[in-house]
Amino acid sequence: SQQGEEDPQALSIQEGENATMNCSYKTSINNLQWYRQNSGRGLVHLILIRSNEREKHSGRLRVTLDTSKKSSSLLITASRAADTASYFCATELRGGSEKLVFGKGTKLTVNP
Amino acid sequence: DTAVSQTPKYLVTQMGNDKSIKCEQNLGHDTMYWYKQDSKKFLKIMFSYNNKELIINETVPNRFSPKSPDKAHLNLHINSLELGDSAVYFCASSQNRAETQYFGPGTRLLVL
Repeated sequence: SQQGEEDPQALSIQEGENATMNCSYKTSINNLQWYRQNSGRGLVHLILIRSNEREKHSGRLRVTLDTSKKSSSLLITASRAADTASYFCATELRGGSEKLVFGKGTKLTVNP
Repeated sequence: DTAVSQTPKYLVTQMGNDKSIKCEQNLGHDTMYWYKQDSKKFLKIMFSYNNKELIINETVPNRFSPKSPDKAHLNLHINSLELGDSAVYFCASSQNRAETQYFGPGTRLLVL
């Protein structure tokens, strides 16, 4: 079974709206990362949040981490058509082999 | 100026053939990775090298053999290609293990 699971699998919104994606995981982590993948391209790192942090911001992105619920959320505010992409969470397991385990992603479509 | 580059971008080949994919990073990172992304966009780590030393070797058939001639290069050789090997293969690098990873553009492998 997978470590990280994003929810929803797909999300369609209008430009200007906010988009929220969630990630749940099963075991304790050292850090959680969010990546974006545009169609046909490689993944691009967005933000890293460590297990002792609760919230981080980067531009229009806001990431929260709740270790008691083993979940994280990625909020994109004032979305743009260019935000259309798949978004993946990745976790580094605590006491693991220092590898990232990726979820299946949320496909976000922002309609102009 | 591409940070992580892969060649070739596309690879179409017959079952049973042997092929190689090359990866180079110019970021000065110590750790490099190979990932496989299947048709459902699930991204799974295959191998990781740190300073030319293999540190992660997931459950991957012996037909897959990574080679790291130096810190900046990590190549993937695949013997006796099978239909199920069709996927997108991504190379990535990071300065520290399980920290921010930088991905290449991917190699789309189609086995006929």
